[in-house]
Amino acid sequence: DGGITQSPKYLFRKEGQNVTLSCEQNLNHDAMYWYRQDPGQGLRLIYYSQIVNDFQKGDIAEGYSVSREKKESFPLTVTSAQKNPTAFYLCASSILGGITEAFFGQGTRLTVV
Amino acid sequence: GESVGLHLPTLSVQEGDNSIINCAYSNSASDYFIWYKQESGKGPQFIIDIRSNMDKRQGQRVTVLLNKTVKHLSLQIAATQPGDSAVYFCAEEYGNKLVFGAGTILRVKS
Repeated sequence: DGGITQSPKYLFRKEGQNVTLSCEQNLNHDAMYWYRQDPGQGLRLIYYSQIVNDFQKGDIAEGYSVSREKKESFPLTVTSAQKNPTAFYLCASSILGGITEAFFGQGTRLTVV
Repeated sequence: GESVGLHLPTLSVQEGDNSIINCAYSNSASDYFIWYKQESGKGPQFIIDIRSNMDKRQGQRVTVLLNKTVKHLSLQIAATQPGDSAVYFCAEEYGNKLVFGAGTILRVKS
């Protein structure tokens, strides 16, 4: 089945640690995105990538980093510089940047303990 | 900018009634708009889309209306069912990325 997969579904991190969230898609989509969602709130764009080896900051990129070494993969690292990392993280992909619908993964809930 | 502390508005409707969810978008140059439905703990799912050269588009039980003059988008759900309870987001294509609105919680009362 084609789709977009995020792992893990739940992730716990100690303060001061970096953690990497996985996002893989087999839809042959060019564009991939990472969003953050806080309880009862909307989606805020962290980073996006339109092509391999290129990515752009979104609205809340501070404390996060990404890579796009392969078309299928767009991992997000939440660094220790992110002061409030506890949130629901959503990855999405689309054929071309924003001109068609984006397909979302099921999300990763990150909790700092 | 940051929207910490800003909580989503809620629309409560009776089962069987029609629902209308509204969204104001940001950029008059946006060319493409999507409505998403998000159930608790899950990723958003596509409902319906519309391009800027259209004013209205219908799907199964859903209709999207676009008013470019006032930069307003609405989603109409006919005969609302309990399974429609979710958070609904509009998104606009701007600068080659999707920008999401704040969202609306739809609660369906049986």
